[in-house]
Amino acid sequence: NAGVTQTPKFRVLKTGQSMTLLCAQDMNHEYMYWYRQDPGMGLRLIHYSVGEGTTAKGEVPDGYNVSRLKKQNFLLGLESAAPSQTSVYFCASISGSNQPQHFGDGTRLSIL
Amino acid sequence: AQKITQTQPGMFVQEKEAVTLDCTYDTSDPSYGLFWYKQPSSGEMIFLIYQGSYDQQNATEGRYSLNFQKARKSANLVISASQLGDSAMYFCAMSGDDKIIFGKGTRLHILP
Repeated sequence: NAGVTQTPKFRVLKTGQSMTLLCAQDMNHEYMYWYRQDPGMGLRLIHYSVGEGTTAKGEVPDGYNVSRLKKQNFLLGLESAAPSQTSVYFCASISGSNQPQHFGDGTRLSIL
Repeated sequence: AQKITQTQPGMFVQEKEAVTLDCTYDTSDPSYGLFWYKQPSSGEMIFLIYQGSYDQQNATEGRYSLNFQKARKSANLVISASQLGDSAMYFCAMSGDDKIIFGKGTRLHILP
């Protein structure tokens, strides 16, 4: 049972490039979340989804887009990467409200 | 709006002593959940304990207990008999209105 899988684990981009981070879960969870983690800032919520076909903005959504076309996948896109988006990105999922999250292992993204 | 605050950036504690990590929160939602996660240096997020807003008793999980004071809006984590392996970042989180947000974390150092 894989749980939550994030792809890729590491990536280096140049300013202005685009890329998509993939989060896949095999637990049939309804809710999925994208966070970024920066030193001294904790985890900040970027976007989240409460079900297939739905997305909503979190605390720091600017510069990111998301899609949830399939229940098991939650994609995070950077259309034009900026150095300020250098971070570790975590995906998480839960089965229902007020449940503990299952986290992926994170994606370390560097923007040069 | 939801807010969660951890005021201790770092703590040093002697092995075998008890530790209290502070967490305060703010929300207008009557139904919410409070969580604590541990993040060791390897980077993964480990769920420790959960408290629901309607739970009458404080949650306990082994050496972890959550000191929930609803009127004061605090949800402190207590670790009894600390061990060297408890050295890590600790995050308090709150769920509500479909979102889950995190505090900035406390880095705990256990001294031998």
